[in-house]
Amino acid sequence: QSVLTQPPSASATPGQRVTIFCSGGSSNIGSHTINWYQQVPGTAPKLLIYSNYQRPSGVPDRFSGSKSGTSASLAISGLQSEDEAYYYCATWDGSLNGPVFGGGTKLTVL
Amino acid sequence: QLQLQQSGPGLVKPSETLSLTCTVSGGSISSTTNYWGWIRQPPGKGLDWIGNVFYTGATYYNPSLKRRVTISVDASKNQFSLNLTSVTAADTAFYYCARVSFYFDSDVSSYHYYYFDYWGQGTLVTVSS
Repeated sequence: QSVLTQPPSASATPGQRVTIFCSGGSSNIGSHTINWYQQVPGTAPKLLIYSNYQRPSGVPDRFSGSKSGTSASLAISGLQSEDEAYYYCATWDGSLNGPVFGGGTKLTVL
Repeated sequence: QLQLQQSGPGLVKPSETLSLTCTVSGGSISSTTNYWGWIRQPPGKGLDWIGNVFYTGATYYNPSLKRRVTISVDASKNQFSLNLTSVTAADTAFYYCARVSFYFDSDVSSYHYYYFDYWGQGTLVTVSS
């Protein structure tokens, strides 16, 4: 059971906008910045969003992140077939004294 | 561009020790704003943090694995390593090394930010006799 809760799956058609949610508590999302990782099956995770909404160099602005209270979300607009992947939220947990991950959301581009 | 290259066996016998090394290129492991960490992912499952090491040798471990884990750093080789003892089938997983970028605010004793920004290619380690 993951500390952060994500829906196991999401789907949308090319060109649409999809939002993936991540829920936590006061010791993790409520107190620390959230990060998002993208993992294409068979490859290593890749940092997609850090510090709630910042994008690393090379990440398209179609990807955006936000946080409110003990929840966070990742939005992908103009969905493309190459966006089909697993998406993980993550943050620091002050009670567990370590980083924690969500269980991951499998995004299917229909 | 920073790169992390993992090496180590993909098959370990039960009760033995899993050992992996991560070699950093394109940057120095002796950075004051980075930890060097290990994360694992059982096949078909999510990500679990194993632990981190700072260039000084200071270590931080997941409490659930702390009794069996040692992470060390060799700054002269720009490498850091993972040892996991007494492995069982439950330790079968993809193991990833990664760089952690962080800022610790000592005034509030809390991380202002903490994220894994560069990852190794991953190593599938199977525990089987």
